[in-house]
Amino acid sequence: AQSVTQLDSQVPVFEEAPVELRCNYSSSVSVYLFWYVQYPNQGLQLLLKYLSGSTLVKGINGFEAEFNKSQTSFHLRKPSVHISDTAEYFCAVSGMDSSYKLIFGSGTRLLVRP
Amino acid sequence: NAGVTQTPKFQVLKTGQSMTLQCAQDMNHEYMSWYRQDPGMGLRLIHYSVGAGITDQGEVPNGYNVSRSTTEDFPLRLLSAAPSQTSVYFCASTLQGLGSPLHFGNGTRLTVT
Repeated sequence: AQSVTQLDSQVPVFEEAPVELRCNYSSSVSVYLFWYVQYPNQGLQLLLKYLSGSTLVKGINGFEAEFNKSQTSFHLRKPSVHISDTAEYFCAVSGMDSSYKLIFGSGTRLLVRP
Repeated sequence: NAGVTQTPKFQVLKTGQSMTLQCAQDMNHEYMSWYRQDPGMGLRLIHYSVGAGITDQGEVPNGYNVSRSTTEDFPLRLLSAAPSQTSVYFCASTLQGLGSPLHFGNGTRLTVT
């Protein structure tokens, strides 16, 4: 079984500042990792995913994440945020043996202030 | 393509009432799932299906039933609604294999009084 921990429930940041949203996971098998974004009153959209290969993954809207197997982490970063990045961000994990079965973290609300 | 379509968007039920949340996808995805979203708890998997005629339980299946008679449809049934089932429900679908991303519907906001 897999689990995901997002320690920060809310992250306030000023526009154009860098941001890091933290995600740690646990699993007894090798995993796939994902970040999804949810804008108000909408469903979730995929930001990026790690399947294999390079541990640095680039996604949409200038976001990137780094897979660290030894620390079981998959932190999301953006060098300069915009007001439009205000949303809730979810980290998710699936085992390679059941890749369609995603387990989500509790979410981090990113609040970008002018 | 419509993607994943959920109906209704909003619903209010009284305790003990039953209802079905509808989910349909037109992408010929084998895998479909239902999640509930509650503040501070993220999305929790209720039930999922890997194909027509095959369903299985997720993290929080109690109080919910599902069936999958066609590839396109995956309804979620609440047989006797309880206030603890007040939540936002999301249906999702994907192709199986190699970490294919989930495609989500826009959600159903359910209130049980």
